[in-house]
Amino acid sequence: GENVEQHPSTLSVQEGDSAVIKCTYSDSASNYFPWYKQELGKRPQLIIDIRSNVGEKKDQRIAVTLNKTAKHFSLHITETQPEDSAVYFCAASKRGAQKLVFGQGTRLTINP
Amino acid sequence: DAGVTQSPTHLIKTRGQQVTLRCSPKSGHDTVSWYQQALGQGPQFIFQYYEEEERQRGNFPDRFSGHQFPNYSSELNVNALLLGDSALYLCASSLVFPEETQYFGPGTRLLVL
Repeated sequence: GENVEQHPSTLSVQEGDSAVIKCTYSDSASNYFPWYKQELGKRPQLIIDIRSNVGEKKDQRIAVTLNKTAKHFSLHITETQPEDSAVYFCAASKRGAQKLVFGQGTRLTINP
Repeated sequence: DAGVTQSPTHLIKTRGQQVTLRCSPKSGHDTVSWYQQALGQGPQFIFQYYEEEERQRGNFPDRFSGHQFPNYSSELNVNALLLGDSALYLCASSLVFPEETQYFGPGTRLLVL
């Protein structure tokens, strides 16, 4: 079945610096890749997503890139702020399936 | 516009008991998916309901069952609870057509003693 690997498991950056989280997926039929942010004790919240017909998508300080050939996708956060501290999850799903397969999560800490 | 809601927020049960968790989808959504999130892990897909039928199922035993009602709300039932069933149970809603993002509820934290 589909497997999603996420790295690193923890990431600590200085406020204002950039953070990058990487994921690889195993099923080449996957075509939808969302990223969720989960603060302690709260629900996962979608922050950005990308479909396989595009290679990059940006939303203010957040961007996601997708390399279908290599089967990996990455989350980029620029000008990090303390409120960016949370656990981030990548996920993948196939067209028509909507079953999300999640990575193991990255705990991002922004140091003031 | 109401988001996804779940009840109860917390629940404590003992081994062998049965539990029912409830989910109301975001307004306009017709599909409900259930996930189990163990501490420090990513959510794991349990199953998905659409048109009151189980559309897909993850790698969970038959002790986990569900239901979807005509108003699209859903229940997750777990029988013969094990200690390992302790987790955060998340419900997510979406539209089947066109495919749309899954929005998560706040979850139900289940503790099995």
